[in-house]
Amino acid sequence: GDSVTQMEGPVTLSEEAFLTINCTYTATGYPSLFWYVQYPGEGLQLLLKATKADDKGSNKGFEATYRKETTSFHLEKGSVQVSDSAVYFCALWSASKIIFGSGTRLSIRP
Amino acid sequence: SAVISQKPSRDICQRGTSLTIQCQVDSQVTMMFWYRQQPGQSLTLIATANQGSEATYESGFVIDKFPISRPNLTFSTLTVSNMSPEDSSIYLCSYGDSNQPQHFGDGTRLSIL
Repeated sequence: GDSVTQMEGPVTLSEEAFLTINCTYTATGYPSLFWYVQYPGEGLQLLLKATKADDKGSNKGFEATYRKETTSFHLEKGSVQVSDSAVYFCALWSASKIIFGSGTRLSIRP
Repeated sequence: SAVISQKPSRDICQRGTSLTIQCQVDSQVTMMFWYRQQPGQSLTLIATANQGSEATYESGFVIDKFPISRPNLTFSTLTVSNMSPEDSSIYLCSYGDSNQPQHFGDGTRLSIL
């Protein structure tokens, strides 16, 4: 069945470092892809999305490009801040439901 | 996008009891979902709440343990029945479909003693 594989965490970076969190998917067809963020003690918030191949989603300095050839949707940010510390989930929409990756915990050191 | 709210936000319950969690959306939505997030884990879909019919449960979840109601297009409830410590989790509701990303409530943090 359809699935999402995410980079294992935790990931610890210094402030202003470059961030990449890898995400690959397995799906029939071309599903919509999402990144969600969960800050400590809170619910999930949509960070960005892409609905077709080569689409680039972006928000709050984060970007991810829908790569059909490599079935990937890697999350990137050029300069992370302490406030970006959270758990990040890659996800896809398939067969009338959303499938989540395992999540990647990100910690940013001042 | 519609605002989604859940209550209670947290609860501590005795084993063997049941708790009903409510999820309210401030406008009509087609699809509503219930998830479980065990400590340090990702989200697992429990079921899709269908308006006017029985919920559609995912593998490993059954109606007797997690009865769900969806009386209209803005409201749903999830009951966690006969609770045990293994049911200690965050339970989240959401709405959305393929054209709209999922929007989540803040979750219900449930601890079973």
